[in-house]
Amino acid sequence: DQQVKQNSPSLSVQEGRISILNCDYTNSMFDYFLWYKKYPAEGPTFLISISSIKDKNEDGRFTVFLNKSAKHLSLHIVPSQPGDSAVYFCAAKGSSNFNKFYFGSGTKLNVKP
Amino acid sequence: DAGVIQSPRHEVTEMGQEVTLRCKPISGHNSLFWYRQTMMRGLELLIYFNNNVPIDDSGMPEDRFSAKMPNASFSTLKIQPSEPRDSAVYFCASSFNRAGTDTQYFGPGTRLTVL
Repeated sequence: DQQVKQNSPSLSVQEGRISILNCDYTNSMFDYFLWYKKYPAEGPTFLISISSIKDKNEDGRFTVFLNKSAKHLSLHIVPSQPGDSAVYFCAAKGSSNFNKFYFGSGTKLNVKP
Repeated sequence: DAGVIQSPRHEVTEMGQEVTLRCKPISGHNSLFWYRQTMMRGLELLIYFNNNVPIDDSGMPEDRFSAKMPNASFSTLKIQPSEPRDSAVYFCASSFNRAGTDTQYFGPGTRLTVL
């Protein structure tokens, strides 16, 4: 049973527009959330995170929003660039278990020039 | 820092053979994770270690899978015997477990093909 779900396997966006990637979770004990980006033939790399005490965290073009009541988070990329084309994984963890992350199945973003 | 190192990068083997994947975590990290990536299930956690001790192996699919961490700088994931459905990309990741919020750093992965 997947505790973190990314229901959109793929997303296509025009360069310069906003990309919105979504993630839902089921475990109310999760208190820390991350997004990872993965290029082909490479391992995932950390992109941005958010603690459950916040509802927004921004880093340059990337913003993560957390809606605890809906158990939903989203990643906004503005403006989108062709180099952002990659697979994005959402991950979540609770506070007590040795950094055990639960990952979603990923969303493949394609930013068209 | 060289990052997390995995070997081999690619492995092609025949059904029934033993496969050993290797991982060197980032120096100073005390947690190590083995993941498997498939199209259907995304990134699945197989097992993780803290201070070289296995903490949770509930993700290991079958007894054919085993993992060891004999010291802080080396871990192996072994599949014996291998089956075609084991074909996937296997990632190793490491982190420094601190107040439960540190991120994990992934290696480049081993692409395993079992014929």
